[in-house]
Amino acid sequence: AQKVTQAQTEISVVEKEDVTLDCVYETRDTTYYLFWYKQPPSGELVFLIRRNSFDEQNEISGRYSWNFQKSTSSFNFTITASQVVDSAVYFCARRAGGTSYGKLTFGQGTILTVHP
Amino acid sequence: NAGVMQNPRHLVRRRGQEARLRCSPMKGHSHVYWYRQLPEEGLKFMVYLQKENIIDESGMPKERFSAEFPKEGPSILRIQQVVRGDSAAYFCASSPPRGASYEQYFGPGTRLTVT
Repeated sequence: AQKVTQAQTEISVVEKEDVTLDCVYETRDTTYYLFWYKQPPSGELVFLIRRNSFDEQNEISGRYSWNFQKSTSSFNFTITASQVVDSAVYFCARRAGGTSYGKLTFGQGTILTVHP
Repeated sequence: NAGVMQNPRHLVRRRGQEARLRCSPMKGHSHVYWYRQLPEEGLKFMVYLQKENIIDESGMPKERFSAEFPKEGPSILRIQQVVRGDSAAYFCASSPPRGASYEQYFGPGTRLTVT
């Protein structure tokens, strides 16, 4: 199986600190897609970002940024100036390319707690 | 534009009973996925359906679990003769037809508790 690994099970920071969540993936596909989802305490899954394997540009959205490095098979997620509302479980996921559809393979998730 | 709807949100069943979980995809979406999240674990793919067709059921347990997505109505995940190990959160996701975005949009989940 082509795994997605989030080595950090839990991270605890104080508000306003920057935090990086690591994601490493395995793939034999030439084309694939990477995702990050957020699961707040209320339990729903919120889509954050999709990245295509052929686009290695980093992306910034407000306090969120993503660093995609094909050479190391990593897709890390950084929250700048963290806030209490960022407390959630964050999941990295991968999907094979070639079609528009297909199952997501998720990492185990990283529990982020931001203390006031 | 309503999101993915799942009901019930919480379901309690005794061992041996049947559980039926419903998922209504977003308007215009014709692809449905079911995932299971066991306690303290990530989400695991179960099955991928299009209208009236099962496309990929590689993640479905071989026994007691079935899924359908009829021409009319919601997608149903059915668990027969539930056991304690079936206690989990079950998430449904939908995606739009070909040519549109690739994201899967998730519903709020159904929390199944087997007593």
